[in-house]
Amino acid sequence: QQQVKQSPQSLIVQKGGISIINCAYENTAFDYFPWYQQFPGKGPALLIAIRPDVSEKKEGRFTISFNKSAKQFSLHIMDSQPGDSATYFCAASGAGGYNKLIFGAGTRLAVHP
Amino acid sequence: DAGVIQSPRHEVTEMGQEVTLRCKPISGHDYLFWYRQTMMRGLELLIYFNNNVPIDDSGMPEDRFSAKMPNASFSTLKIQPSEPRDSAVYFCASSQTVSGKKAFFGQGTRLTVV
Repeated sequence: QQQVKQSPQSLIVQKGGISIINCAYENTAFDYFPWYQQFPGKGPALLIAIRPDVSEKKEGRFTISFNKSAKQFSLHIMDSQPGDSATYFCAASGAGGYNKLIFGAGTRLAVHP
Repeated sequence: DAGVIQSPRHEVTEMGQEVTLRCKPISGHDYLFWYRQTMMRGLELLIYFNNNVPIDDSGMPEDRFSAKMPNASFSTLKIQPSEPRDSAVYFCASSQTVSGKKAFFGQGTRLTVV
């Protein structure tokens, strides 16, 4: 119940295209859903996050779409650039006994010029 | 702020040896997390502290692993004795809230046990 399932495992997108990464969760106690970006040799860095009281959050080219009833959320990267090539992790946490940040397995994104 | 500082960046050790990983969290952050990253298991939370007190160590794989936080600016993760399957990248992260909201990660320690 604490799992966060992420797909796809890897993704190749052409420059200027839209990258879409999906995550699903089971635990309805989760109330915070961040996305992290990790470059090789670096630690994960918070990219954008959403709470379940909104269905979408946008920051620049990055958008989180959230579907509470389906228990799914996704990251959209518009106008993808080669500099966006990294591994992306979705995560979830909640309150009480579920307050740990649980990560998805990660998606390795490659944006080709 | 220099961010979360981990040392060493790389560690190569022989099986059976003791390994100590170090972390300095961001000043003012009252939560500290230790994660392990491998290709097979992804990012796993090992243990986290609140105000220097261990809160949840359910992710610590075995008794060979131990973690301490003697003060607000320093934490260690120790493996004794180390085994080849402990080879991974170990990350320390800190935040101001328990759910890791806006958690900041260090650059990690790449541990290789041969």
